[in-house]
Amino acid sequence: KQEVTQIPAALSVPEGENLVLNCSFTDSAIYNLQWFRQDPGKGLTSLLLIQSSQREQTSGRLNASLDKSSGRSTLYIAASQPGDSATYLCAVLTGANSKLTFGKGITLSVRP
Amino acid sequence: DGGITQSPKYLFRKEGQNVTLSCEQNLNHDAMYWYRQDPGQGLRLIYYSQIVNDFQKGDIAEGYSVSREKKESFPLTVTSAQKNPTAFYLCASSGLAGPNTGELFFGEGSRLTVL
Repeated sequence: KQEVTQIPAALSVPEGENLVLNCSFTDSAIYNLQWFRQDPGKGLTSLLLIQSSQREQTSGRLNASLDKSSGRSTLYIAASQPGDSATYLCAVLTGANSKLTFGKGITLSVRP
Repeated sequence: DGGITQSPKYLFRKEGQNVTLSCEQNLNHDAMYWYRQDPGQGLRLIYYSQIVNDFQKGDIAEGYSVSREKKESFPLTVTSAQKNPTAFYLCASSGLAGPNTGELFFGEGSRLTVL
């Protein structure tokens, strides 16, 4: 059974800092990995999708990498801003049942 | 604009009542999903559908029912058999072909409170 872990559960950083959010998964037979952002009381917004054949994806100040063999993905946020404060979730689509398994998320607070 | 619309945003229900949450998408996606989100538990899959007139149970289907009569619509009924229905419900959809196959898009959610 696929398990997705995101540690720590919460993170607080000063504005301008570059930061890395980690995601680990137990079954490397994945189709893709997706990073989401969730603001309080809102739905999830897709940030980046990495297919299993890809190593990384970039969108603006965000860069996500994937290492299937070690069961890890990182989301890099450059020059963090208070507007980046939100919960960030990763999810993996696993071949065995073609369903997404979500991590519990990392709640990020960027202090002005 | 293309997207997923969930309604209502907030819903209050008395114990013993069934309620139906609406989910409509205009993204021409084949697959649609319902998730439940509770504090500290992450997202859990209730039901999903990959084609019209077909759907499968997810991890926590008991006390819920769905239908998929149209590609665009995937309503969720929370029945009186669901013991702890108070939660945030999220609908999602994804395409099953193309370069971004499997990318999931979410609606804004519906918050159900049982009084």
